Amino acid sequence: DQQVKQNSPSLSVQEGRISILNCDYTNSMFDYFLWYKKYPAEGPTFLISISSIKDKNEDGRFTVFLNKSAKHLSLHIVPSQPGDSAVYFCAASDDNNDMRFGAGTRLTVKP
Amino acid sequence: DTGVSQNPRHKITKRGQNVTFRCDPISEHNRLYWYRQTLGQGPEFLTYFQNEAQLEKSRLLSDRFSAERPKGSFSTLEIQRTEQGDSAMYLCASSFLDPWTQYFGPGTRLLVL
Repeated sequence: DQQVKQNSPSLSVQEGRISILNCDYTNSMFDYFLWYKKYPAEGPTFLISISSIKDKNEDGRFTVFLNKSAKHLSLHIVPSQPGDSAVYFCAASDDNNDMRFGAGTRLTVKP
Repeated sequence: DTGVSQNPRHKITKRGQNVTFRCDPISEHNRLYWYRQTLGQGPEFLTYFQNEAQLEKSRLLSDRFSAERPKGSFSTLEIQRTEQGDSAMYLCASSFLDPWTQYFGPGTRLLVL
């Protein structure tokens, strides 16, 4: 069962512009959300997270927005840089210790 | 400490054989997780250890799968009587205080012929 969905398998943006990656979830018990970034031949690396008590969390060029009523979160990267090119996974967790990941979105930032 | 390490990085085996993977977490991390990732999908949770205790197992972890963390440090994941459907990337992750900020290893890619 796909409780976390990333409907865009790929996204291409120009360097300097904004990248917006989207994620939808179905389980209303999820209360913690994360974004991971993955380069080829490496494991995913933690990028940014947000608790369900917030609707926005910002860390430098990265901002995550959470819309609980729509069960939707998004990751904004601005300005996008070529080094941001990677696969981005959205993940969600409830009180248990297992995280559910989306299928990922491959971001390509063109110079 | 250079992060989470996994060995081997690649494993090719014939159907029906047993395989064992090892994960060495970041040294002070008490939580250790195993995930499986197939092509075009995100990581799927398999099991979780806090110290040496295995606290949670996914329904994906069939009877052919067993994981151990005998001394609360490294962990092994064994798959018995491998099937072609077991072909995947097996990822290990560890964390310390925050269970959600997990540090992943590079994974072991398994191919069952």
